[in-house]
Amino acid sequence: ETGVTQTPRHLVMGMTNKKSLKCEQHLGHNAMYWYKQSAKKPLELMFVYNFKEQTENNSVPSRFSPECPNSSHLFLHLHTLQPEDSALYLCASSPSNQRETQYFGPGTRLLVL
Amino acid sequence: TQLLEQSPQFLSIQEGENLTVYCNSSSVFSSLQWYRQEPGEGPVLLVTVVTGGEVKKLKRLTFQFGDARKDSSLHITAAQPGDTGLYLCAGEEYNFNKFYFGSGTKLNVKP
Repeated sequence: ETGVTQTPRHLVMGMTNKKSLKCEQHLGHNAMYWYKQSAKKPLELMFVYNFKEQTENNSVPSRFSPECPNSSHLFLHLHTLQPEDSALYLCASSPSNQRETQYFGPGTRLLVL
Repeated sequence: TQLLEQSPQFLSIQEGENLTVYCNSSSVFSSLQWYRQEPGEGPVLLVTVVTGGEVKKLKRLTFQFGDARKDSSLHITAAQPGDTGLYLCAGEEYNFNKFYFGSGTKLNVKP
């Protein structure tokens, strides 16, 4: 247990579906992150939130829409995904501006058919 | 080309053997972190090295940061099956405030 939970752990969706991934941290951190992990590629940082404000968007397609209602919760809304979006989506949190101290959730394994 | 290159990509060894994995870059890093990720789980932070030449030990794991802060190594003594996993290095590039992960070394320790 790292103090970061993610739901669901597994998700299969069609290209026309809309779904959401949820992340919750119980560590009192103020920064939260979404990463994509594909086979044979480094972790790709997608979004960064600091004190609920988005501070980084690394050219992520608009079919991925993040939401951070408070410092403890982070969502990733998915819409009209492509099969190449199939991957492990990891959420992490850290004290504000301390990327060297990130705690990761277990991830959501997403399969897009 | 990745900013953090890890080698080897794959390593399969017998229980009891020693091993070293590497994380190299042509850039200087403010700090480097090592994570271990087990199948079906997220990465877990093992250590952070900050000072050039720094050596940190965590039981059978020894981490070293290069003098120029461009590279790091992880040495495991007497590997055990519980060491099996994906080892990732990560760090913030000095003066650029950009954070990178390496692509990892997948270690399999056979009983």
